[in-house]
Amino acid sequence: DAGVIQSPRHEVTEMGQEVTLRCKPISGHDYLFWYRQTMMRGLELLIYFNNNVPIDDSGMPEDRFSAKMPNASFSTLKIQPSEPRDSAVYFCASSLGSRAEGNQPQHFGDGTRLSIL
Amino acid sequence: SQKIEQNSEALNIQEGKTATLTCNYTNYSPAYLQWYRQDPGRGPVFLLLIRENEKEKRKERLKVTFDTTLKQSLFHITASQPADSATYLCALRMTTDSWGKLQFGAGTQVVVTP
Repeated sequence: DAGVIQSPRHEVTEMGQEVTLRCKPISGHDYLFWYRQTMMRGLELLIYFNNNVPIDDSGMPEDRFSAKMPNASFSTLKIQPSEPRDSAVYFCASSLGSRAEGNQPQHFGDGTRLSIL
Repeated sequence: SQKIEQNSEALNIQEGKTATLTCNYTNYSPAYLQWYRQDPGRGPVFLLLIRENEKEKRKERLKVTFDTTLKQSLFHITASQPADSATYLCALRMTTDSWGKLQFGAGTQVVVTP
């Protein structure tokens, strides 16, 4: 089975540029998550979707960040304009929902390593 | 404020021994707790989940305990192997949080030497 696929794996760009990160979740999963990982702050949830609808975006750092999920098989995380402090590894994860138990594991992609110069 | 604490220092252990990792939390009422493994350059991989009403869970050489009174989970790797070397993360969902909102600890690195 194909896992969560993220692209690009690495991105280096200059401050002020727009950055778009892409994610293809596991087929059939109805939850999609975007995380950011840094040495200082660890793994932080930015936003997550259920059936393509954003449910909780309280972790999105500021208006420069936006995320969309136009269909069940694709999501983007956009940073515009980018700043050096946005440098981090960004992970996408997906899972099956379970309203009764709410305890499904999350399946992570291998991340996009973003460097803003 | 809410806090999840894992041993920040790497755990160095000899092959064949049992590695024990701790995950302590404050000001949480977790519905459940999960453990993940992360290798360098890779995303976390789910290992085990334990619910608030469960004391212990096992999977092959892995064992997790959950003590809601002590606000602590212990993660054991028995008969450790060099292939177990990785960073291990605990993650909690609060009962008051939205369903998908997991909060992760910083992780503990385990190094198993032959």
